[in-house]
Amino acid sequence: DGGITQSPKYLFRKEGQNVTLSCEQNLNHDAMYWYRQDPGQGLRLIYYSQIVNDFQKGDIAEGYSVSREKKESFPLTVTSAQKNPTAFYLCASSSRFGNQPQHFGDGTRLSIL
Amino acid sequence: EDKVVQSPLSLVVHEGDTVTLNCSYEVTNFRSLLWYKQEKKAPTFLFMLTSSGIEKKSGRLSSILDKKELFSILNITATQTGDSAVYLCANSGIIQGAQKLVFGQGTRLTINP
Repeated sequence: DGGITQSPKYLFRKEGQNVTLSCEQNLNHDAMYWYRQDPGQGLRLIYYSQIVNDFQKGDIAEGYSVSREKKESFPLTVTSAQKNPTAFYLCASSSRFGNQPQHFGDGTRLSIL
Repeated sequence: EDKVVQSPLSLVVHEGDTVTLNCSYEVTNFRSLLWYKQEKKAPTFLFMLTSSGIEKKSGRLSSILDKKELFSILNITATQTGDSAVYLCANSGIIQGAQKLVFGQGTRLTINP
């Protein structure tokens, strides 16, 4: 079955530590996205990528970094510069062409120790 | 700044009731309006609306868009406990060739038996 796999489901970060969230898709989608969701708020865009080796900052990119070395994979690193990283992180993908909806993974919940 | 506002933020009804969820938007770049259902993890796609006045329907759920008044509604008839979820509305626009979603805060719907 095609889908988006995010891992781990839960992640704990110590102060000053970088952590990387994994996102893999087998939908053959060109475009991939990372969102952050805080309680009582909608999703906010962190980074997005339309093709391999290319990505752009979203609305809240500070303290985060990404890479897109393979079409299937779009990992997100939460750096120590992100002072309030506790949130639910969602990865999505979509076709780059036509007007198609984005499909989401099951998310990673990140907490601070 | 693009803005999507949902109301109410929270709604509690009894099983069998009909509910209407609202979504208004102020955006500079409109391509379509999307509705998602989020239970505990991944938002799942419900509807994509691009044209005014054309109702989209799936079982007990339906949705319509008014591009003149800049709003959309999601109706759920004969509600069931399985309809309990957060319903997210998002505007889809194109920024530098990439699809960009701007989400509302979501409406938390609780169906009591």
